[in-house]
Amino acid sequence: GENVEQHPSTLSVQEGDSAVIKCTYSDSASNYFPWYKQELGKRPQLIIDIRSNVGEKKDQRIAVTLNKTAKHFSLHITETQPEDSAVYFCAAFGGSQGNLIFGKGTKLSVKP
Amino acid sequence: NAGVTQTPKFRVLKTGQSMTLLCAQDMNHEYMYWYRQDPGMGLRLIHYSVGEGTTAKGEVPDGYNVSRLKKQNFLLGLESAAPSQTSVYFCASNTGTGLNQPQHFGDGTRLSIL
Repeated sequence: GENVEQHPSTLSVQEGDSAVIKCTYSDSASNYFPWYKQELGKRPQLIIDIRSNVGEKKDQRIAVTLNKTAKHFSLHITETQPEDSAVYFCAAFGGSQGNLIFGKGTKLSVKP
Repeated sequence: NAGVTQTPKFRVLKTGQSMTLLCAQDMNHEYMYWYRQDPGMGLRLIHYSVGEGTTAKGEVPDGYNVSRLKKQNFLLGLESAAPSQTSVYFCASNTGTGLNQPQHFGDGTRLSIL
């Protein structure tokens, strides 16, 4: 079945710097890759997603890239702000399993 | 539009007790899911449903049962609670155009088993 590895588990950056979180997946049949942001004590919220027919997608300061050959995808946050501090989860839709498989999360801290 | 609503928000149980967690969505979504979230483990799928009257096992189904008698509701049951089931439980839903659609999450239920 699908397996999703996420790195790093913690990331600390200065306000204004960029942050990059990387995920790899194992099932080549996976075709949908969402990213969720979860603030402390809150629900996970979708911030961006990408499908396997697209290599890159941007939404203001957030971008996601997908490399199907290498089976990895990354979240890029530019000009980070303190309110970006949260836990970020990547996920892959396990085509052969029929459900989302989540990475274990990255705790991002943005220092003012 | 309330989205996905979970009740209760918090609950403490004793080992061996039973309870049911309720998830309700008002978005007319076909698909509904129950996840558990443990520290350092991310979100793991317990059971899911692709429509009224249907259920399927996820990654960690043991010790849980579910029912989808109405399209808008998805119930998660613990028949005999165990300390290992202490966790935060999230319900999610998405549209019927495919499983690979954005999932909308509820606020979660924090469950402690003593």
